[in-house]
Amino acid sequence: QSALTQPASVSGSPGQSITISCTGTSSDVGGYNYVSWYQQHPGKAPKLMIYEVSNRPSGVSNRFSGSKSGNTASLTISGLQAEDEADYYCSSYTSISTRLFGGGTKLTVL
Amino acid sequence: QVQLQESGPGLVKPSETLSLTCTVSGGSISSYHWSWIRQPAGKGLEWIGRIYSSGSTTYNPSLKSRVTMSVDMSKTQFSLKLSSVTAADTAVYYCARDYRGGDYWGQGTLVTVSS
Repeated sequence: QSALTQPASVSGSPGQSITISCTGTSSDVGGYNYVSWYQQHPGKAPKLMIYEVSNRPSGVSNRFSGSKSGNTASLTISGLQAEDEADYYCSSYTSISTRLFGGGTKLTVL
Repeated sequence: QVQLQESGPGLVKPSETLSLTCTVSGGSISSYHWSWIRQPAGKGLEWIGRIYSSGSTTYNPSLKSRVTMSVDMSKTQFSLKLSSVTAADTAVYYCARDYRGGDYWGQGTLVTVSS
C-alpha cells in the first residue's frame, strides 16, 4: 500500500483560504466515504478535524471543511489564522479494511 | 472525557520485541476499535493496525508478519508487540480510538531501537 498523495507544503496569508488535496485510488479514497483529516502541531498528537469526508467533530471550527471528488479528497481552511499553522494529514479506509495515511502537508501562515 | 496513555520501554535492542500498552480511562473499551499508529522523527504517520474489543485484529500488510495486538478488557488496556525490530522501527508510537478515523489519541511515546 502506498501512502495517499498530499502536497508537501501549502501557504497562505491570514484571512485567506487554502485547500489541501489528498489523492488515492478507487480502493481507498474513491471507494469509501471514510476520509478523515488531522491537524498536528509540533510535538503534539494528531487531532481529528474532519471525519467521513465532510463532518466536523464537536469543537472544531467551521472554518475547516472537507469534500471529495473521485479519488481525491480535499481539506479547505477559510479565514486562515496563525494558529492554523501545522502539519495536516489525511487518511482513508481501504478495500482490505486497513487505514492508509497521506504523507502530510505543512501549512505555513505567512 | 476519554483519555489514552501509552506506556512501555523507551529503548529496545535490535532483533528484540517492542512491547507497548495503551491504558484507556474515562470511557468504555467495549464496542470500539483501537489502533496503533507510529511516526518516525520528521516523517509522516504510519498505521500499524487495529483491534476490536472482541479481540479481532487487522494489521498493516507491510508489518503483519511482525505485529501482534491484544486487548485486556478487565484492565481497559490494549497492547502492541512488534518483533525483530530494527533502527527503522524507531518512532513515536501513538494509540488511538479508531472511531471516525481516530477521535481520541494518546500523547505518544518515543521508542528508540539501538544497542
